[in-house]
Amino acid sequence: AQKITQTQPGMFVQEKEAVTLDCTYDTSDPSYGLFWYKQPSSGEMIFLIYQGSYDQQNATEGRYSLNFQKARKSANLVISASQLGDSAMYFCAMRYSGGGADGLTFGKGTHLIIQP
Amino acid sequence: DTGVSQDPRHKITKRGQNVTFRCDPISEHNRLYWYRQTLGQGPEFLTYFQNEAQLEKSRLLSDRFSAERPKGSFSTLEIQRTEQGDSAMYLCASSRQPLAGLNEQYFGPGTRLTVT
Repeated sequence: AQKITQTQPGMFVQEKEAVTLDCTYDTSDPSYGLFWYKQPSSGEMIFLIYQGSYDQQNATEGRYSLNFQKARKSANLVISASQLGDSAMYFCAMRYSGGGADGLTFGKGTHLIIQP
Repeated sequence: DTGVSQDPRHKITKRGQNVTFRCDPISEHNRLYWYRQTLGQGPEFLTYFQNEAQLEKSRLLSDRFSAERPKGSFSTLEIQRTEQGDSAMYLCASSRQPLAGLNEQYFGPGTRLTVT
């Protein structure tokens, strides 16, 4: 069974600093996808970035990058130059693969607060 | 581009009553997912459809829960004989058929259910 672990329940970061949010995962499937979503206080889940298990390079999307270390089974999210609007819950998720299964398994999330 | 919409946004019901939620996915998306999110947790996968076919159901989906997607467009999630433990945010997401592994799921704003 897949499992996602986010060990940081909450983080306080000064505006403009870089932030690393930790995520480790456990799966026996060689083919999988890793996702990060942002959930502001309004409640909607916003897709940020994706990394496939066979991708050779770390994914990047604007200020977001994913530090993918396959041997360690970690997929940390890095936010460069944090902004006040980055304050939100952040969830790491893994996609099932194979056998037609397609749901996402989410971690418990990290509550990020950016301070001015 | 119209995003995923859900109706109602909030529902308060008494224990034992039945409730039904609706989800309208992004029009060109053939996959539709239902998740449940309780306070302080990440979303938990419930079920998903490809077109009108329900392809996977989580163990979380007890026999009091039923989901349909009759014409492969909108979907409904019904909870019969609601219990206080059903109080949660019910999230709907949609996606295209995955290509080369990417399966970005776009989420709706959710329906918050409170069972009194």
